[in-house]
Amino acid sequence: AQTVTQSQPEMSVQEAETVTLSCTYDTSESDYYLFWYKQPPSRQMILVIRQEAYKQQNATENRFSVNFQKAAKSFSLKISDSQLGDAAMYFCAYDQFYFGTGTSLTVIP
Amino acid sequence: GAGVSQSPRYKVAKRGQDVALRCDPISGHVSLFWYQQALGQGPEFLTYFQNEAQLDKSGLPSDRFFAERPEGSVSTLKIQRTQQEDSAVYLCASSPGTAPAETQYFGPGTRLLVL
Repeated sequence: AQTVTQSQPEMSVQEAETVTLSCTYDTSESDYYLFWYKQPPSRQMILVIRQEAYKQQNATENRFSVNFQKAAKSFSLKISDSQLGDAAMYFCAYDQFYFGTGTSLTVIP
Repeated sequence: GAGVSQSPRYKVAKRGQDVALRCDPISGHVSLFWYQQALGQGPEFLTYFQNEAQLDKSGLPSDRFFAERPEGSVSTLKIQRTQQEDSAVYLCASSPGTAPAETQYFGPGTRLLVL
């Protein structure tokens, strides 16, 4: 089975600064999808950004972007101009079935 | 329109009781997923439906766990003879198309505590 690893249980960032969350995965497939989801405290999980493996270009959604390194099986999330509302658990996911253990992001005012 | 809803939001069960957790997906969504999320962990896949067909149930931890989606909309996850290790948040998600490409829309979860 595919595995997803998030090696940073907790991260913190100053408001307005940039932070990068790491994710690696293991697969033998060549075509797949990768996702970052955000789970605010006591709130529902929502999609942040997604990447299709066959696309070379890194996905971007406003202040959120990814660095997708297919050969290295790495899929990191960069949050620019961090805001207090970005504080949450962030989960990396492979296809729709495999999630990492999450990174808790704290934003310091 | 309304998002994914789950009921009950909280459930306390005595060990050995049977429980039923309900998920109302977004209307028209083809795919429906159930996950188990232990405290401080990521969601663990349980099962996947495409319309009324249960295409993957490889994540169900034992034969005490059973899921159904008889009319291709509402789904129920049933846990028989609950054990303490079943305590977790059970998440339901739906997506408009078929896995694995589509974005999932998650419900708020049902927090199950087995005493």
